[in-house]
Amino acid sequence: AQSVSQHNHHVILSEAASLELGCNYSYGGTVNLFWYVQYPGQHLQLLLKYFSGDPLVKGIKGFEAEFIKSKFSFNLRKPSVQWSDTAEYFCAVNAKSNYQLIWGAGTKLIIKP
Amino acid sequence: NAGVTQTPKFQVLKTGQSMTLQCAQDMNHEYMSWYRQDPGMGLRLIHYSVGAGITDQGEVPNGYNVSRSTTEDFPLRLLSAAPSQTSVYFCASSYSRFGTDTQYFGPGTRLTVL
Repeated sequence: AQSVSQHNHHVILSEAASLELGCNYSYGGTVNLFWYVQYPGQHLQLLLKYFSGDPLVKGIKGFEAEFIKSKFSFNLRKPSVQWSDTAEYFCAVNAKSNYQLIWGAGTKLIIKP
Repeated sequence: NAGVTQTPKFQVLKTGQSMTLQCAQDMNHEYMSWYRQDPGMGLRLIHYSVGAGITDQGEVPNGYNVSRSTTEDFPLRLLSAAPSQTSVYFCASSYSRFGTDTQYFGPGTRLTVL
């Protein structure tokens, strides 16, 4: 069965620090990859997605993620975080043959001002 | 556009009670789904629908029913609530069922079963 693993459940950083959130999945076939974010008091929303082409994808608010097929990874990065990036971040994957998303457990990110 | 709306935002039930969580979207989306989110776990798919009149089970369907009589509405029914159904429930929709589509989420319903 497919699964998605997010390495850190809680991350605390200071403003201007660099961010990398890990995401690994287990599935041998071709996949679509997503990062969603839930800001405090707001709906879950799409941050970025990858389904083909350049493995480095850029999303909203300066976030990017790199798909490394050989490592089954899709890590989320941001060079300099802001207090407003405080949120919970979810990685999700679906196989191209199956539209059901499999979700990671989420990472709660707290940015100290 | 209101997007995806869910009611109620909070609900407390006693074991054995039934209730319906409402979900509606005004984006004319074909695909709608219900997830539950539990602490330390990702979202898990309960049921989904690829169009009016078509529903199917997801990963954790037991204890829940759904129907899709219109494109806009996708209610989730708890038949006989159990403490294990204490969770946060999210409804989502997307333009199509194809895996590359962005899902749009409602605000969630926090359900407690005593």
